[in-house]
Amino acid sequence: DSGVTQTPKHLITATGQRVTLRCSPRSGDLSVYWYQQSLDQGLQFLIQYYNGEERAKGNILERFSAQQFPDLHSELNLSSLELGDSALYFCASSVAGYNEQFFGPGTRLTVL
Amino acid sequence: AQSVTQPDIHITVSEGASLELRCNYSYGATPYLFWYVQSPGQGLQLLLKYFSGDTLVQGIKGFEAEFKRSQSSFNLRKPSVHWSDAAEYFCAVGARSNDYKLSFGAGTTVTVRA
Repeated sequence: DSGVTQTPKHLITATGQRVTLRCSPRSGDLSVYWYQQSLDQGLQFLIQYYNGEERAKGNILERFSAQQFPDLHSELNLSSLELGDSALYFCASSVAGYNEQFFGPGTRLTVL
Repeated sequence: AQSVTQPDIHITVSEGASLELRCNYSYGATPYLFWYVQSPGQGLQLLLKYFSGDTLVQGIKGFEAEFKRSQSSFNLRKPSVHWSDAAEYFCAVGARSNDYKLSFGAGTTVTVRA
């Protein structure tokens, strides 16, 4: 158990819908990262937050957004969902950017 | 841009035999290097990391990795594989100049035969 929690574990929804994935980092960790894992793209970095502020952006679609709240939990919002958005979404946290990242168990999103 | 190559998509090894997984990275400055393991249906677990210093690093579950700057490699090794080591292994690279976000290799699936 890494100490990073993600909810829900599974999510099944339809095209065009919007979902919110939630992540609680390890106690004391200020940085939160979101990654997408799919069969065709592998593991891809989406976005990073540090102490409530966006720090870095990767291959994140405009239909996706995220935020980190004052209690340091983070949410990833996915809207106008397409079939291709079906993937495993991981959250990771670290004390600061230059430390190792600890991953949560992931949320498996299925878009039908 | 940083990138990671794991040349072997799939490796089959006998229980008790040694294992070596290859990882090559591309990055101009000194990278931070990691190996993660993912069991089916699970998240990623950190096996070991290299930031600086001794180029041979020890990790959990009996794994070690060696950083070779001249070869841009960070290969993972285990002297004697157990059936529970069957999983997918990912090499990752991060760097300060890239806000420490991780770039992952495509992964190597390890099958352990009895």
